[in-house]
Amino acid sequence: AQKITQTQPGMFVQEKEAVTLDCTYDTSDQSYGLFWYKQPSSGEMIFLIYQGSYDEQNATEGRYSLNFQKARKSANLVISASQLGDSAMYFCATDQYGNNRLAFGKGNQVVVIP
Amino acid sequence: DAGVTQSPTHLIKTRGQQVTLRCSPKSGHDTVSWYQQALGQGPQFIFQYYEEEERQRGNFPDRFSGHQFPNYSSELNVNALLLGDSALYLCASSPQFSGANVLTFGAGSRLTVL
Repeated sequence: AQKITQTQPGMFVQEKEAVTLDCTYDTSDQSYGLFWYKQPSSGEMIFLIYQGSYDEQNATEGRYSLNFQKARKSANLVISASQLGDSAMYFCATDQYGNNRLAFGKGNQVVVIP
Repeated sequence: DAGVTQSPTHLIKTRGQQVTLRCSPKSGHDTVSWYQQALGQGPQFIFQYYEEEERQRGNFPDRFSGHQFPNYSSELNVNALLLGDSALYLCASSPQFSGANVLTFGAGSRLTVL
């Protein structure tokens, strides 16, 4: 079974600054994926970024980058140049390759202030 | 191109009642998964449907059942509602045999059990 841990309290971030959201995971699988989703107050889960366990390079998607440290079982999300629209809950998740069955953490609340 | 649509968006039921939630997947997607998200928690996987059959199931009691129709749309049924069933129910769709990085979530159905 997979387990995701997100323990940071809610965060206030100044607009245009970077923020790092911590995520550690526990899995016995050799192959797995790591995901970050954004959930605004509307409720929809929005996919941000994906990292495969065998990918050697850290994933990047625009202002989002994933700091993947496999030995530490850590997959931190970095949001650069924060915008007011980044205010939301952020969830880290993992799955086994191919089964589209995600295990989520409890999330991190981010509030961007002007 | 419409994404995942869910109905109803909000509903209130009383303990012991039954509820049916509906989901229409994104165009081109044939696999539907359901998640339960309690307040302050991350989503938890309920089950997944493909080719009108339940393919995977999470740790949920038999009170939770589902159905998938030939047009790929899906229903989630919950019988004998408990207060603890109050949650946001999220539907996600994907093409079968794709990675979870193409999962598309709907905005959810918020169920309140009184």
